[in-house]
Amino acid sequence: GAVVSQHPSRVICKSGTSVKIECRSLDFQATTMFWYRQFPKQSLMLMATSNEGSKATYEQGVEKDKFLINHASLTLSTLTVTSAHPEDSSFYICSADNADGLAGGLPDTQYFGPGTRLTVL
Amino acid sequence: QKEVEQDPGPLSVPEGAIVSLNCTYSNSAFQYFMWYRQYSRKGPELLMYTYSSGNKEDGRFTAQVDKSSKYISLFIRDSQPSDSATYLCAMSVDRGSTLGRLYFGRGTQLTVWP
Repeated sequence: GAVVSQHPSRVICKSGTSVKIECRSLDFQATTMFWYRQFPKQSLMLMATSNEGSKATYEQGVEKDKFLINHASLTLSTLTVTSAHPEDSSFYICSADNADGLAGGLPDTQYFGPGTRLTVL
Repeated sequence: QKEVEQDPGPLSVPEGAIVSLNCTYSNSAFQYFMWYRQYSRKGPELLMYTYSSGNKEDGRFTAQVDKSSKYISLFIRDSQPSDSATYLCAMSVDRGSTLGRLYFGRGTQLTVWP
């Protein structure tokens, strides 16, 4: 239970293009989803908190015009990396808050997707 | 000073050994403590969840929290090669979607060799 999926799992794109990453909670509804990025051998860095039906809250230093977040439904949030550059290459991971503790998971606990590896050439 | 400190290792142990992983933190407001396991190129998987101080056991895993020392530990008994992964500690001030922001340690890379 409490499964979160991400798509695509891996993407390679040219510099200057935009890339959209989807995060879905498969068996529970998530009012809040979180987006992280992780560099090799580093910890997860929170980029933004995404709330269904409202604007995302970005962490300090994260460009909201570059990393567009849309949380249009209780099971889907998307992260769009606009005009991607090689320095945006990273592992992007989302998590969804299982607020009600449904699907066998703990309530008010974040469950993570498998991640998306972005490589910008 | 980072809010959560964790020795990145790497840590290498033989199969069957007892593994001790730990984190220290500086924010006394943290109340919820978690351990995640992350395999290479995968998302973190929740292993243990503890509220406030005390011990919690689940199979071969035991989580300990000492809030007075701002120190948390994860013990793995009878370690197996399948336990080889990066272990991340995480903590939060509160729970709930808007208050449950997680603060992560760097992660400790563990290898259990047969």
